[in-house]
Order: sequence, then structure tokens, then C-alpha cells
Amino acid sequence: GESVGLHLPTLSVQEGDNSIINCAYSNSASDYFIWYKQESGKGPQFIIDIRSNMDKRQGQRVTVLLNKTVKHLSLQIAATQPGDSAVYFCAETTGTASKLTFGTGTRLQVML
Amino acid sequence: SAVISQKPSRDICQRGTSLTIQCQVDSQVTMMFWYRQQPGQSLTLIATANQGSEATYESGFVIDKFPISRPNLTFSTLTVSNMSPEDSSIYLCSVEDTGDEQFFGPGTRLTVL
Repeated sequence: GESVGLHLPTLSVQEGDNSIINCAYSNSASDYFIWYKQESGKGPQFIIDIRSNMDKRQGQRVTVLLNKTVKHLSLQIAATQPGDSAVYFCAETTGTASKLTFGTGTRLQVML
Repeated sequence: SAVISQKPSRDICQRGTSLTIQCQVDSQVTMMFWYRQQPGQSLTLIATANQGSEATYESGFVIDKFPISRPNLTFSTLTVSNMSPEDSSIYLCSVEDTGDEQFFGPGTRLTVL
């Protein structure tokens, strides 16, 4: 992914509000997408994935939307909680290559 | 999901030295990966490590600088050789589980002085 140095895009939301984190991907051949959450000092944690034959997938409090036409992926978090504060990365891969290409990341700050 | 551990969790090293990072998984996995995460940045794949074959390196990464071992289906090591301050990063291993999901270890935070 393109580097943004030390200044990650930041999304600030009030506790209890819904959060929407966006990701643009560049490879039109990508067919599998994953959202990861990375808390400070930890490795990325798998949140939810989606394949290109779907445009929406829901998990517990999270929804991923995929728009292949404009190559856009979003992660929606319902009723955002302080524990959701972290950096969120989207990742993409093609076929069975398994090699993930990560986006730049977005820092989510939950305000009490 | 697989449980992954890494050693050391962090280290401070002098330039010109080498550090070997270990990655241990609690189950047998075919594919293991090594990533680098420079300060404040995203993750970049260094190489794919498969048991019984040489690692496959991504553009910009070479075996002499980042030699990798994969002696069995639960273990791998990454060595950062002849370190310079530019190698200061978090190094992460990941594994592909029974599905296509990749799970990550906690990372090794390396600082090179």
C-alpha cells in the first residue's frame, strides 16, 4: 500500500455511534478481501472477510461492503465501543496466491 | 484459528549485527509468511516460507539480507542480517489457516541503533 508515513488517516467517533472505514483497492483482479484490526503493540487481528462474488457480508457488529465497480471496500462498525479504538487495515489478494496486499490503514478513535 | 507466538517480542540491536526471529504455530500449516511493518506504516510482505522448499521473496527483499528457515510445518525463522537503523520495524509472521484466512503473530519490535 501507499505509505502515509506517521500520519495515518484518523476517524473520530462518539461512543455508541456507527463507524464507517473506507478502503480503495487498485487491483481489479483481486477476489478476496480481509479487514484487520491492529491494537497498539499487537499483531493484526482478523475481523471479517469477503469474496468478490458477494457485495455484503455481516458479522457481529461489523459489516463489510464491496463495490467492485469502483474498487471500494468499507467496514461498518455498529454501536462503536472504546475497545474498537485501533488501526484498521484492509487487505486484498488474488486467487489462491495467498499473498496479501495491505492498504494504508485508518486509525479509529472512540470518544467517550 | 491458529495460535502464533514469536520470539523475541522486542529487541534493541547494534548496527552490523544480525537477529533471528522465531515463529511458532500451535498446529501444522502449509503456508507461513513474513511481513515488515515500518513505524506508522502498513504491512509489506517480505517472503513466503513453505516447508521443504526455499522461501519466495517479494520485490525489494533478498535472501542474503533476510534468510528464512522452515524446518517443519509449525516453525519458521527470519534473520535480519547486517542490520542498519533503516531495519527498525515490527516483523510479523502469519499463517494461512484451513480456510483462506491469514492470522498473525504478535510481532517482533526491532530497534537498530
